[in-house]
Amino acid sequence: EVQLLESGGGLVQPGGSLRLSCAASGFTFSSYAMSWVRQAPGKGLEWVSDISGGGDSTYYADSVKGRFTISRDNSKNTLYLQMKSLRAEDTAAYYCAKKIGGISSGFDYWGQGTLVTVSS
Amino acid sequence: IQTTQSPSSLSASVGDRVTITCRASQGIASYLNWYQQKPGKAPKLLIYAASSLQSGVPSRFSGSGSGTDFTLTISRLQPEDSATYYCQQSYSIPLTFGQGTKLEIK
Repeated sequence: EVQLLESGGGLVQPGGSLRLSCAASGFTFSSYAMSWVRQAPGKGLEWVSDISGGGDSTYYADSVKGRFTISRDNSKNTLYLQMKSLRAEDTAAYYCAKKIGGISSGFDYWGQGTLVTVSS
Repeated sequence: IQTTQSPSSLSASVGDRVTITCRASQGIASYLNWYQQKPGKAPKLLIYAASSLQSGVPSRFSGSGSGTDFTLTISRLQPEDSATYYCQQSYSIPLTFGQGTKLEIK
């Protein structure tokens, strides 16, 4: 059974940093691209970042480029999102999601989400 | 690539046939996926590659389209189908979602 478990969310002040983790199990982690998708309270879904299975290719939404860094440790079956220079508009539930295959595919499994609140 | 869904909300009765449309601002072949999200839950994949039914999803859900125009159809609406539905293009970065369609059961 595929499981994705996010952690690391919480309350952070504007300008602060946070690192999210997503522990994966139930599939060959290194064979699949992975993503982060966020959802601000009461709003729709927004794609944040993608990383290829080997970790050599990464992609970002313009809204987070230069501030967020996606990475993965295939030996630990874990996906990360390092977030810096956080803004109020980054407040959202952050989901990690497994891709069906490569970068150009949909998300077939999602974690339960971890809430990030940016506020003073 | 912008993805625009319509309608933004709709209300229908159990047993009805419901159609939600998604239009991409440029051609995306069949790189279009549909998700269902219930309040407080993570999204769930329903349809991928425009028309392929995800494993475990009831057959009353179907998808069609290619290029710029796509549809999600629920053939016989059930009470548990009350949710928000999102389309998403996976053709090019940045990946984009539609704004969502909130489906209410009368």
